[in-house]
Amino acid sequence: NFMLTQPHSVSESPGKTVTISCTRSSGSIASNYVQWYQQRPGSSPTTVIYEDNQRPSGVPDRFSGSIDSSSNSASLTISGLKTEDEADYYCQSYDSSSVVFGGGTKLTVL
Amino acid sequence: QVQLVESGGGVVQPGRSLRLSCAASGFTFSSYGMHWVRQAPGKGLEWVAVISYDGSNKYYADSVKGRFTISRDNSKNTLYLQMNSLRAEDTAVYYCAKEDTAMENWGQGTLVTVSS
Repeated sequence: NFMLTQPHSVSESPGKTVTISCTRSSGSIASNYVQWYQQRPGSSPTTVIYEDNQRPSGVPDRFSGSIDSSSNSASLTISGLKTEDEADYYCQSYDSSSVVFGGGTKLTVL
Repeated sequence: QVQLVESGGGVVQPGRSLRLSCAASGFTFSSYGMHWVRQAPGKGLEWVAVISYDGSNKYYADSVKGRFTISRDNSKNTLYLQMNSLRAEDTAVYYCAKEDTAMENWGQGTLVTVSS
C-alpha cells in the first residue's frame, strides 16, 4: 500500500494562484488516476478534478490538475482565487483493490 | 438529479452493531459501483469499502475488514453497511458515494457515535 501526502494547509490572497501538492509514497503516480475533492465546512465532498486533469461539468476552469512523474506527485492548481474556494481539498487514488485518500489540505483565502 | 440519502446512524455502545442504509435515486443504481467513506470528527476522509455494480466484488479497508460488510439491493436501489464489533475509533460521519470516473456524487452523511 502507498500513502498520499498533502500539505496540512496553504493560504493565499483573492485573485492569486495556489497549488496544492499530493505526493505518492511508493509506486508511480502515473499508474493510477488521481482525483481531487473539495469539502466546504459542513458540507459533503464534491469532485473538482478526476482522472488527473479532467474537470466535471460545472467546475470552473480556474481549477486544473496535473501529475509530475519526476516528483511522483499530483497537483491541484486554483487560479483567480475567490473567497468561496476556501475549503479542505483531498487527493485520492487507487491501490489494486483499495482507495487511498490524502490527508487533506486546508485552503485559506485571505 | 442524483440523490444519495444515508440513514441508520446513531449512538451505539462499543461491541454492538449498526446497519447503515443509502437510498439512491436519479440514476440507474444497478449500473454503478458504490463506496462507503467515513470522516471522524475534525479529521480527513477515510475510505471504508466498495461494492461492484452487481454485488459480486467487495473490498474493504484493513481497519474494518472482518467487522463491516457492504451489500446492496438493486431492486430497492439501496446500499448497506453492516457494522459489527464497533469501536470508539469507528465514530465518524459515514458517506455513501457513487463511483464513475471518480466518487462523483456523495450523500449528506450519517453520524455514527460509538460510546458507552
